[in-house]
Amino acid sequence: QVTLRESGPALVKPTQTLTLTCTFSGFSLITSGMCVSWIRQPPGKALEWLALIDWADDKYYSTSLKTRLTISKDTSKNQVVLTLTNMDPVDTATYYCARLTYYFDSSGYSALDYWGQGTLVTVSS
Amino acid sequence: DIQMTQSPSTLSASVGDRVTITCRASQRISSWLAWYQQKPGKAPKLLIYKASSLESGVPSRFSGSGSGTEFTLTISSLQPDDFATYYCQQYNSSPWTFGQGTKVEIK
Repeated sequence: QVTLRESGPALVKPTQTLTLTCTFSGFSLITSGMCVSWIRQPPGKALEWLALIDWADDKYYSTSLKTRLTISKDTSKNQVVLTLTNMDPVDTATYYCARLTYYFDSSGYSALDYWGQGTLVTVSS
Repeated sequence: DIQMTQSPSTLSASVGDRVTITCRASQRISSWLAWYQQKPGKAPKLLIYKASSLESGVPSRFSGSGSGTEFTLTISSLQPDDFATYYCQQYNSSPWTFGQGTKVEIK
């Protein structure tokens, strides 16, 4: 079955770079059509989409955060890594990774069908 | 970016009520809209994709409709397990965007 799990530091200091890892099973980013996305949610607030990487190594980013975000994949480890530079207290949030699929029949990208449990990152000095 | 606006922000309802949540997109997104349910401390769960397709395992009391810029999520008979926050999300084009959420509370 498909599972995803986020890992990374629970606490980072302002101006530091956050590195989060999404480790998944039940699918492979070598397989055509497979994709992983990152989403975050500040405490008590709405979901915010951050980034996506697909099997072909195409990458997409949030408009407001694209200068600070990098997404990459390690297919040998079944991992996707997200880095967010210059962390600020407003970046305090639960960070989720999720799977989606690209359909070649002109349907395009799918909804986010499997999610990790999320990891809370607090930015504080 | 495509803006997604949900209404209402909060909804008070009783068990057995019919509940409708609206989501509006700032640009036409065809039917590339999903609905998620989120409970406190949990990850979102996909309910509806492509505006009206029910995800496997989701109870049939949930339904979605709409296309273009106007979409609705309907719960035909609210159950105790349905008290949660619901989000719409467009995946017509990058950057993907979510609505601000609708919290369904017990009346």
